[in-house]
Amino acid sequence: GQQVMQIPQYQHVQEGEDFTTYCNSSTTLSNIQWYKQRPGGHPVFLIQLVKSGEVKKQKRLTFQFGEAKKNSSLHITATQTTDVGTYFCAGQSGGYNKLIFGAGTRLAVHP
Amino acid sequence: DTEVTQTPKHLVMGMTNKKSLKCEQHMGHRAMYWYKQKAKKPPELMFVYSYEKLSINESVPSRFSPECPNSSLLNLHLHALQPEDSALYLCASSQVPGASYEQYFGPGTRLTVT
Repeated sequence: GQQVMQIPQYQHVQEGEDFTTYCNSSTTLSNIQWYKQRPGGHPVFLIQLVKSGEVKKQKRLTFQFGEAKKNSSLHITATQTTDVGTYFCAGQSGGYNKLIFGAGTRLAVHP
Repeated sequence: DTEVTQTPKHLVMGMTNKKSLKCEQHMGHRAMYWYKQKAKKPPELMFVYSYEKLSINESVPSRFSPECPNSSLLNLHLHALQPEDSALYLCASSQVPGASYEQYFGPGTRLTVT
């Protein structure tokens, strides 16, 4: 079945360091969405990427969609303790009218 | 109002109990979803309602029974659950059906089956 792989599973950084999480799909994605889930919370939508090679920025967060629309990344510059949580990518592929979530990357930020 | 509400926040039930989870949104969204999330795992899609009709059932056991009484409400009826069904149950909605629309998640119901 359709799968979206996400790495790393867990990342521990010192505050101020950068962080990147990667998603890869074996099939071409129609779009990819990113969600953040704080500890004890629920997923919150961050952004959607649709176009090949698209790059979007939200303050310290940079989102990229690969040229082949099979991979995506989220990069956080100069992490803060408020960035703590699990970041999920979620993609749609082909005729599947549903989002397929990656396993998530859990980010821990130490002051 | 960009909020999805869910009740109850926590639920403990025995394997012979019948209970219901409720979800509500007033954003005029026409797609609503039930997800199950185990600890340290991604949300796992269970059901999708499109314009109040069940459009996707991800082969969920019949002990979970969804219901969409109207465009704002979504219920999940639970009966004869197993301990392995203990999880966070998330409701979500999107403007229209389709995976190209952002989903708004509720805070979830944390279910424990004893």
